Amino acid sequence: DQQVKQNSPSLSVQEGRISILNCDYTNSMFDYFLWYKKYPAEGPTFLISISSIKDKNEDGRFTVFLNKSAKHLSLHIVPSQPGDSAVYFCAASENNNDMRFGAGTRLTVKP
Amino acid sequence: AAGVIQSPRHLIKEKRETATLKCYPIPRHDTVYWYQQGPGQDPQFLISFYEKMQSDKGSIPDRFSAQQFSDYHSELNMSSLELGDSALYFCASSLGAAGSPLHFGNGTRLTVT
Repeated sequence: DQQVKQNSPSLSVQEGRISILNCDYTNSMFDYFLWYKKYPAEGPTFLISISSIKDKNEDGRFTVFLNKSAKHLSLHIVPSQPGDSAVYFCAASENNNDMRFGAGTRLTVKP
Repeated sequence: AAGVIQSPRHLIKEKRETATLKCYPIPRHDTVYWYQQGPGQDPQFLISFYEKMQSDKGSIPDRFSAQQFSDYHSELNMSSLELGDSALYFCASSLGAAGSPLHFGNGTRLTVT
C-alpha cells in the first residue's frame, strides 16, 4: 500500500529556473513531512521538513508547501543549480514513527 | 561532523548463508532505523529502535532480526538469505524526540548469489 506517492519519476529543468517536485499522500494521520536528496552511492540526505501545523517552510533556495486538504506537498528549488541534480524522496510520518517514503523523483538540472 | 557509519559497504553472500550488517549512529542519537531499498524501488522501512528497545516494526521478514546495543549501535542479522534479499540496506539515526529528521548512512549493498 503506497501511502506516499511521487508520480513523476523524473524532471529536467534549466539552470536558474524553478524546479517543482510533487508528492501526494493518502494517510490523513501523517503529521510530519520531509524531503531527502540522494546522490548515487550515498545515503539520502535530509533537506527540509514541514509539520502539519504549517503550510510553508523555507530554507534558502528550498521551500516546501503543504496542502493538507489536498494531501499534497511540493518542494520548490529556486534558482535550480546543476549540483541539485539528484533523486529527491518525499517522506511522511505520524509522530516520527514508521516513516514512509515515496518512490523518488530524479531531478536533472541542465547548465 | 560525525555521520552515521555502516559496515561493511559491500557484502556478497550465497543463498542460505547469514549476514550481519552494522550501524553506528551519530553520537547522542538514541534512535536507529533500518531500511531496505531494492533495485528500482523506494526505501522500505524494516525496523526501528529507541533507547535499545524495538520501537516500530515494518516489513521485516521473520528471517531477519535486529537489536540496538548499550552503545546505541545496531546490528541487522539476516539468515537463510534469498536472492530477493539483494538490496541496499540503509541505517538512519535520529534523536528520539518527535520531529527529528533522520540522518542516513551510505548503506550496505548486499548481493546474494
